[in-house]
Amino acid sequence: DIQMTQSPSTLSASVGDRVIITCRASQSISSWLAWYQQKPGKAPQLLIYKASSLESGVPSRFSGSGSGTEFTLTISSLQPDDFATYYCQQYNNYWTFGQGTKVEIK
Amino acid sequence: QVQLQESGPGLVKPSQTLSLTCTVSGASISTDRYYWSWIRQTAGKGLEWIGRAYSSGTVNYSPSLGSRVTISLDTSKNQFSLKLSSVTAADTAVYYCATDYTGYFGFWGQGTLVTVSS
Repeated sequence: DIQMTQSPSTLSASVGDRVIITCRASQSISSWLAWYQQKPGKAPQLLIYKASSLESGVPSRFSGSGSGTEFTLTISSLQPDDFATYYCQQYNNYWTFGQGTKVEIK
Repeated sequence: QVQLQESGPGLVKPSQTLSLTCTVSGASISTDRYYWSWIRQTAGKGLEWIGRAYSSGTVNYSPSLGSRVTISLDTSKNQFSLKLSSVTAADTAVYYCATDYTGYFGFWGQGTLVTVSS
């Protein structure tokens, strides 16, 4: 199994902050990585696919980068609607998710 | 816009079979565009991919669940289903159905909580 490790587990930030979440794969996954946002009681929502491609309708303040084993999700200027939990997911070999990063209000 | 809706019992007894259905609108499950997937979420293990099915008949299952899982398509009803046998308390989770486009999940159902308890 490919293990996905996110850091930090929890992040406290303020509106307007630049936020960076890291995801590491236990082996190379090329660029086969997606990012999701999940709010309480809701299903995850796709933000980014193929490491850096922005899903249609997702605000441009979200961006993704990386390849191989190290990836980042950046929110350039945190908005009130962005307080949520974020997950990475690899699809190079089967499908596995990171444990999540909760972005909370500072 | 593809919409998915899970349905099925919210309570299943240990050792029995969990059965869920996902009703799809906005796309035909016969399409070659998507695989049709099941994913579950628990507080302890987080998000876990269960398996997927394709219009060609291809199915893929999680190695950790494999022999207990069956996913099938019903083209007449535009639905797909999940059966998980020999359930235990560890199978208590929110179960989601979702579209799989080349490996990532673009559309999700709202999720349904299934509790395994006697």
